[in-house]
Amino acid sequence: DTEVTQTPKHLVMGMTNKKSLKCEQHMGHRAMYWYKQKAKKPPELMFVYSYEKLSINESVPSRFSPECPNSSLLNLHLHALQPEDSALYLCASSQEGTGGGYEQYFGPGTRLTVT
Amino acid sequence: DQQVKQNSPSLSVQEGRISILNCDYTNSMFDYFLWYKKYPAEGPTFLISISSIKDKNEDGRFTVFLNKSAKHLSLHIVPSQPGDSAVYFCAAPHNQGGKLIFGQGTELSVKP
Repeated sequence: DTEVTQTPKHLVMGMTNKKSLKCEQHMGHRAMYWYKQKAKKPPELMFVYSYEKLSINESVPSRFSPECPNSSLLNLHLHALQPEDSALYLCASSQEGTGGGYEQYFGPGTRLTVT
Repeated sequence: DQQVKQNSPSLSVQEGRISILNCDYTNSMFDYFLWYKKYPAEGPTFLISISSIKDKNEDGRFTVFLNKSAKHLSLHIVPSQPGDSAVYFCAAPHNQGGKLIFGQGTELSVKP
């Protein structure tokens, strides 16, 4: 089973709203990732959690706040977003963040629209 | 600096023929490469990978070839099917903790 699940599938939010994206995997993977993807572009890495600790933050604005409650769950808290933050937000997981197990398995994504 | 490059933004192939998608890289430290397939409004799906100790890896209709001296890899799909129509990304792990460096993608269209 290589399934990563994400909720919600679609989200529309105003610039003053607070919302959260959720991601779950049950493959025993110890690394989890948040990506942002705009149309016709490759995924753009935002955050990496390795063994439930934040290991990479790609200089993401503080209006995006990641959280890893346990090894299976990953959240992305959103606050005061801008219209240009509208994109497909992808969660991924891999066996381990360093060394072997490079294959990252992606969820279906959350299509976010900021109005 | 774009370390992984896919110079063809699109490719059109007839059903049943071979599709060849190309990828070049500049960082000689890369030792593993992956191909992902992406349908619109879905997450990328892992297709196939190759380690730098090999020059070929095959999985069903998909074969990836690696030419280290040319810093070039290619994905062959044969025979191509209409369901293969998607955007294909090649990627390489950066030495920094699991970060994948993606190419810009090639949109494959397989016509019946």
